[in-house]
Amino acid sequence: EAGVTQFPSHSVIEKGQTVTLRCDPISGHDNLYWYRRVMGKEIKFLLHFVKESKQDESGMPNNRFLAERTGGTYSTLKVQPAELEDSGVYFCASSQVETKGYTFGSGTRLTVV
Amino acid sequence: GDSVTQMEGPVTLSEEAFLTINCTYTATGYPSLFWYVQYPGEGLQLLLKATKADDKGSNKGFEATYRKETTSFHLEKGSVQVSDSAVYFCALSDPGAGGFKTIFGAGTRLFVKA
Repeated sequence: EAGVTQFPSHSVIEKGQTVTLRCDPISGHDNLYWYRRVMGKEIKFLLHFVKESKQDESGMPNNRFLAERTGGTYSTLKVQPAELEDSGVYFCASSQVETKGYTFGSGTRLTVV
Repeated sequence: GDSVTQMEGPVTLSEEAFLTINCTYTATGYPSLFWYVQYPGEGLQLLLKATKADDKGSNKGFEATYRKETTSFHLEKGSVQVSDSAVYFCALSDPGAGGFKTIFGAGTRLFVKA
C-alpha cells in the first residue's frame, strides 16, 4: 500500500508570505494528524481529523494556521502570513485506529526567512 | 498534563556496543507507549509499541518494556550497527486524557561509528 505522502518536501518562503502544505494519507485511514518539530525540539501535536471533521485542534498555535480536509481524503495546512518562528518540519500521519501507532509521512521542511 | 522525557543526545557508540536510551513518562490514564525512529532524510517510522504494563515491544533487535511502577519505557539493543544511526523518539498515546493525540519526547540522536 502507498504510504503517507507529503509535499512539498521543502519550502523556503519570505516572512509574510503564504504557504500551503499538503498531506495524502493512506487510503482508508479515517484519522489524519498534523505535527511539527521546531528547532530540534519535541514533536508537537497540531490537530487531528476524523474523516473531514476536526476532532481536536488544541495544538494549533494561532489563527495564522488553517487546516482543512475536504471530503475526508487529503488535507492541507495553510500558514498565512508566515512568521520566522513557523520554521520547522511539519509531519502528517494517518491511522485506522487511534491508539495503535501512526504511519508518518516524510515531512515538509518549512523555512521562513 | 501528559509528558515524555527522554535522555538528551547525541549518543555516540561504536558498532556492536550495547544501547540504552532512557524514557520516562507522566500520564493521567493508561497510555500506550511507542518508540519511533527517523533515519536520515526519511520520515518517522514506528519502531515498536506496548499497550499495557509489563508488555515488551520488540523489532529489529530493539526492545522496550512498559514499566508502570517506574513509569519508564527504555529502549535497548544488544549490538548496534552503523545503520542504526538515527533519531529516536519516545511517545505515548493516552485516550484517558480526553484525546487521541500522541505526545512525543524531544528525540535522541544516535551515532554509531564503524
